[in-house]
Amino acid sequence: GAVVSQHPSRVICKSGTSVKIECRSLDFQATTMFWYRQFPKKSLMLMATSNEGSKATYEQGVEKDKFLINHASLTLSTLTVTSAHPEDSSFYICSANRDTSYEQYFGPGTRLTVT
Amino acid sequence: GDSVTQMEGPVTLSEEAFLTINCTYTATGYPSLFWYVQYPGEGLQLLLKATKADDKGSNKGFEATYRKETTSFHLEKGSVQVSDSAVYFCALSEGAGNKLTFGGGTRVLVKP
Repeated sequence: GAVVSQHPSRVICKSGTSVKIECRSLDFQATTMFWYRQFPKKSLMLMATSNEGSKATYEQGVEKDKFLINHASLTLSTLTVTSAHPEDSSFYICSANRDTSYEQYFGPGTRLTVT
Repeated sequence: GDSVTQMEGPVTLSEEAFLTINCTYTATGYPSLFWYVQYPGEGLQLLLKATKADDKGSNKGFEATYRKETTSFHLEKGSVQVSDSAVYFCALSEGAGNKLTFGGGTRVLVKP
C-alpha cells in the first residue's frame, strides 16, 4: 500500500506556456501533500506544503503565482508551472503523508524541460 | 531551524565492500529520522526509519541507529552490491504531517 503516482513522467514545453503536473495517492487518503524540486546532483528543495481544501503554504523564495498548487481532494494535488522558462526545467517530485504516519510516500517524479 | 548534514560523495566501492554514510542532524525537538534511496531516473524510496532514540532501522541489509547523544543516524551495509548504486538521502521530520528536511545526498557507486 501507500502508492503515489505522478503524471506526466516527462514533459517538454515551450517557453511561456503553462504545464500541469498531477500527484495522486492511489490507495490512501492524503491530507497533506508536498512538492519538491530537485536540481541535477542536488538534494530536494521543498517548494510547498499542500493541505486538502486549503491554500498551499509556500517555502521562502518560491513564487506562489508562478507555481500554482491545488489540492482539491484527499487523493489529488496538482502543480501548475505558469509561463514556464528554461530555468524552470527540473525534476519535480511530490509526496503524500497519511494522518497516522510520520512517513512520506514519494511519487516517481516528473522531468520538466522548457525549451 | 532543523538541518541535516551528510557526507559528500561520490563514494566509490567495490562489490562486497563495507559501506558507511555519515549523517548528523540538528533539531529543536525529538525528530523521526529516515534514509531514502533514489535509483537512477527514479523517485525517492524509503529505505529505513527510526522514530525514537536507540531505535535501529533496517532494510535490505542496511542499518542505521538513532543516536540522540551524538545526534547521528549513520547508514551502514556490510556487503554492498552493484545494485546498491544510488543516491542516499538522510532526512528528519518533527511530527506526523510535518515536512521533511533532507541532507544533501550521497552518491554511491559500486563497481563489480
